[in-house]
Amino acid sequence: DAKTTQPNSMESNEEEPVHLPCNHSTISGTDYIHWYRQLPSQGPEYVIHGLTSNVNNRMASLAIAEDRKSSTLILHRATLRDAAVYYCILRDGDTDKLIFGTGTRLQVFP
Amino acid sequence: GAGVSQSPRYKVAKRGQDVALRCDPISGHVSLFWYQQALGQGPEFLTYFQNEAQLDKSGLPSDRFFAERPEGSVSTLKIQRTQQEDSAVYLCASSLGPGPVKETQYFGPGTRLLVL
Repeated sequence: DAKTTQPNSMESNEEEPVHLPCNHSTISGTDYIHWYRQLPSQGPEYVIHGLTSNVNNRMASLAIAEDRKSSTLILHRATLRDAAVYYCILRDGDTDKLIFGTGTRLQVFP
Repeated sequence: GAGVSQSPRYKVAKRGQDVALRCDPISGHVSLFWYQQALGQGPEFLTYFQNEAQLDKSGLPSDRFFAERPEGSVSTLKIQRTQQEDSAVYLCASSLGPGPVKETQYFGPGTRLLVL
């Protein structure tokens, strides 16, 4: 499975936008880019996924570089409830399991 | 609707004891996954079921770990002769089925296992 690289931690103030980067230089043409987050003492929850085009949903936006070697998860207005560990995961069409890294721990300050 | 539930939420076991962890997936979900999460680490895949068939058990760390899903719904992860290194949070996830459209995984809250 292709690997991803994320910063260990990031900080943000409440109501500011947050850009969480992810590098995946070995991505293959069939790999989907998925983001999950894990709030304290909870199981991970799905955030967003994409293949080539940028994606938006009610939780976040996903910006994918033209060469697909990196992507950025965008939280438009961070809230205290967004404090979590964010995982960037590559999934190919043949693999149903998720391969988590260590993720980025996001701290949000009031 | 109801999400994925797991029981017990917490389990303390003495080294050498057998434990059984239960997962109730979302109704109608074909795929079921078990993950192990050590403190400070991301979850690691253990095993995968499609209905009652165990299609991938490559992540099970030893033959002391056994998982089943006999009727294609509820699943049980059993750990025999527990060791201290088995202490972790065990997460269960389910999805509608394989494939890029259906594959979003929904996780339960996990079972925190502490082996003394």
